[in-house]
Amino acid sequence: GAGVSQSPSNKVTEKGKDVELRCDPISGHTALYWYRQRLGQGLEFLIYFQGNSAPDKSGLPSDRFSAERTGESVSTLTIQRTQQEDSAVYLCASSFPGTSGYEQYFGPGTRLTVT
Amino acid sequence: AQSVAQPEDQVNVAEGNPLTVKCTYSVSGNPYLFWYVQYPNRGLQFLLKYITGDNLVKGSYGFEAEFNKSQTSFHLKKPSALVSDSALYFCAVRDMTTGFQKLVFGTGTRLLVSP
Repeated sequence: GAGVSQSPSNKVTEKGKDVELRCDPISGHTALYWYRQRLGQGLEFLIYFQGNSAPDKSGLPSDRFSAERTGESVSTLTIQRTQQEDSAVYLCASSFPGTSGYEQYFGPGTRLTVT
Repeated sequence: AQSVAQPEDQVNVAEGNPLTVKCTYSVSGNPYLFWYVQYPNRGLQFLLKYITGDNLVKGSYGFEAEFNKSQTSFHLKKPSALVSDSALYFCAVRDMTTGFQKLVFGTGTRLLVSP
C-alpha cells in the first residue's frame, strides 16, 4: 500500500515568511509524528498526534511552530516568521499503536531552506 | 531521560566483509530499540526492532542486531557487506517519559562499503 507522503519535497523561502509543510500518513495509522533533521545531525522530535489531538508538543522549539491534524489523516506543520536556523529536513512518521512493534514509518521529508 | 549513543561517525568496510555498527542505550525500564537506515535524499526506513525475546533480532536486507543487556548495547550486524549498504544508520529507543510515545534517535553512523 501507499507509504507516508510529504509535500513539498523542497521549499526555499525568505527569512520572515511563513511556510506550511504537509504530511499524509499511512491510511489507518492513528499516530503521527513530526521530526526535524538538521544537516549532519540526528532527528529531533517535534510533536506527536494521536488522532486529531496533540498530547505531546514538547519538542516544538518556539511558538513560531505549530501543527494541526484533521480527519485523523493529513497533518500540517506551520512555521511562522521563518529564521535561518529553521533550515532542515522535516520528517513525518506514522504508526499504529497497539501493534506489537511501535515502529514508525517515515515519509521522504521536506527540505526547508531559509535564505 | 532515555537516550542512545552511536560512538562512530563513520564505519568503513570492504564488500564481502562482516560489518558492525555500534549502539549503546540508557533507559529506565525495559528498552524498545530500533534500527533505521537513511539513503541519500530519502526518509528513514525501518530495519529491525527489539521488544522482548531472543537477543538476536533479524531484520530487512540481511541485517541483524544483538541485544546485550549487561553491556546495554544493541549493535547492528551483517555477515557480508554490500556496496549498496552504504548509507546513514540510526539507532533509536522508545521514550515514554512524557507518558506518550516518541523515538529518541542517535546521531547516526555513516557506513561506507568499498568495492
